[in-house]
Amino acid sequence: QKEVEQNSGPLSVPEGAIASLNCTYSDRGSQSFFWYRQYSGKSPELIMSIYSNGDKEDGRFTAQLNKASQYVSLLIRDSQPSDSATYLCAVETGGFKTIFGAGTRLFVKA
Amino acid sequence: DAGVTQSPTHLIKTRGQQVTLRCSPKSGHDTVSWYQQALGQGPQFIFQYYEEEERQRGNFPDRFSGHQFPNYSSELNVNALLLGDSALYLCASSLTSGVSNTGELFFGEGSRLTVL
Repeated sequence: QKEVEQNSGPLSVPEGAIASLNCTYSDRGSQSFFWYRQYSGKSPELIMSIYSNGDKEDGRFTAQLNKASQYVSLLIRDSQPSDSATYLCAVETGGFKTIFGAGTRLFVKA
Repeated sequence: DAGVTQSPTHLIKTRGQQVTLRCSPKSGHDTVSWYQQALGQGPQFIFQYYEEEERQRGNFPDRFSGHQFPNYSSELNVNALLLGDSALYLCASSLTSGVSNTGELFFGEGSRLTVL
């Protein structure tokens, strides 16, 4: 079992729709969870962090965490073509190590 | 506010050679992590340096080694290069506060290594 699993996609949504990205993790002791965005040919950029169960909203982005189910998700509302990128789920495991999933490619069609 | 800087941005080596990659962390950060990202994959954790010591290591062979300097900058060294070492090498800086690491990573633009 991979430590952090994501659907590789691609996920295609029309402009203005809600994009939903999902992630599961294996280390039940993990406490810190992150979403990074990576444009093609660029390095990852942190867009959301979440540390407690529930929802966290930042502009058009909402991160959701359910530690009992070991599940993290990212919702992007009013998706724009500029949101087209690979979204990486990352989990900080015990001992200062942050593990990344393989990423989900998102395409937003104009 | 200077971000994370890496050098060189691109380099080509042949099998068996050695390479050194360099990283300067974001201003105010004291922790440096190195990742390897193959095409179409997520970043794979190599190791993390804090207080000039390797604090955590991923599943990479001993051919991969590193160093952190008193000014928090870091180097990644790879010996006896293999074709499979071709990848984007990412440096990420963060801040360790007390016994906790904030976990929020700020990445440099990476060093793209091609091994022929």
